[in-house]
Amino acid sequence: EPEVTQTPSHQVTQMGQEVILRCVPISNHLYFYWYRQILGQKVEFLVSFYNNEISEKSEIFDDQFSVERPDGSNFTLKIRSTKLEDSAMYFCASCYGSWTDTQYFGPGTRLTVL
Amino acid sequence: KQEVTQIPAALSVPEGENLVLNCSFTDSAIYNLQWFRQDPGKGLTSLLLIQSSQREQTSGRLNASLDKSSGRSTLYIAASQPGDSATYLCAVSSQDQAGTALIFGKGTTLSVSS
Repeated sequence: EPEVTQTPSHQVTQMGQEVILRCVPISNHLYFYWYRQILGQKVEFLVSFYNNEISEKSEIFDDQFSVERPDGSNFTLKIRSTKLEDSAMYFCASCYGSWTDTQYFGPGTRLTVL
Repeated sequence: KQEVTQIPAALSVPEGENLVLNCSFTDSAIYNLQWFRQDPGKGLTSLLLIQSSQREQTSGRLNASLDKSSGRSTLYIAASQPGDSATYLCAVSSQDQAGTALIFGKGTTLSVSS
């Protein structure tokens, strides 16, 4: 069964460093998402991406964040200058359609900022 | 602004018991509602998707209902098993947004003892 994959599973970085989190969505899906979950808190939406552009973003997704689909398979989230409060589990998700379709989530990348 | 609440926060039951998990949302203008399962330190597994026009969906021992007008959904688990132990998350795709971002509740952590 097709699944969303994410790499790395765990990333440790120093405050102020740039990190890139990678995702491979399900191949025929058209909508891509990043969410994050700070330990003990709700899963929060960051950004959605469709047709090679951002379609929606939350207040969390400020100028420190960017997303890119560099080729036909990868979808990346870049954090330019990490802060301690960026420590969280980051989930990538994809779906084929839009409002009517199931979003499928990857296993997550645990980001630890020291 | 859409808010999702899940009650109870935690639930412990003996194996074989039927149980109900509750989810409520503040704005009835939703596109759909999804139930997910999350195992500790893992990603989200989609269990059921209910469209806004539907009343319920079933998958195996799981049955989810939706009462959009009252802003409520329930997840019914029949004949619970220790393997059902996990956190169950409810999420809605809300019409007050431009896109399809999911808004999550904090989850109900279920423990099924053998």
